[in-house]
Amino acid sequence: GAGVSQSPSNKVTEKGKDVELRCDPISGHTALYWYRQSLGQGLEFLIYFQGNSAPDKSGLPSDRFSAERTGGSVSTLTIQRTQQEDSAVYLCASRYGGLEVTLSTDTQYFGPGTRLTVL
Amino acid sequence: GQNIDQPTEMTATEGAIVQINCTYQTSGFNGLFWYQQHAGEAPTFLSYNVLDGLEEKGRFSSFLSRSKGYSYLLLKELQMKDSASYLCAVRDNSGAGSYQLTFGKGTKLSVIP
Repeated sequence: GAGVSQSPSNKVTEKGKDVELRCDPISGHTALYWYRQSLGQGLEFLIYFQGNSAPDKSGLPSDRFSAERTGGSVSTLTIQRTQQEDSAVYLCASRYGGLEVTLSTDTQYFGPGTRLTVL
Repeated sequence: GQNIDQPTEMTATEGAIVQINCTYQTSGFNGLFWYQQHAGEAPTFLSYNVLDGLEEKGRFSSFLSRSKGYSYLLLKELQMKDSASYLCAVRDNSGAGSYQLTFGKGTKLSVIP
């Protein structure tokens, strides 16, 4: 596609429920990132995928958070037993990630985000 | 790790020039990015600096001083549509090679008539 897409755009759930957020990166981009943006806060790195390498999970806030990337393309972020503090906008970004490093290949392109509200 | 500071809010007049500063402390530096984010929308890439100096792109310019851990974004001939949050982000060159971006909290710019 032309850009990064995410679904759903909005998700309202009850505390304790599980949610799945989806990201479709730009075609051909091998690097994929998940971020969280809470009100008044900066973007918080969650997890990073690069090709077939093991993901960098260093930003995941708890073991309730997990993510997978199937076939090197679509990614799903799963939050189990949601808490009210999980309410935020979850942003996905992709990057070319190729060996030829140029500005364009180094740039992360963001999706529109999923606004998660936990009641 | 990274620590990035930028002003929380700024207000400027249509047609004027505004400078948004960003300072950072980093354990590894491999470039500084500026993104624009309109309310409720995704951040969009504005500029990238990896060497010291000024990068100009139309009405927008970005400056970097690596020795001072300092950058600024300069917006000229402000337009109402420039009202947005401006995010400063530093790229890490740690061994993981993940090219992680660490973001500041953003500067909310309001352009007034």
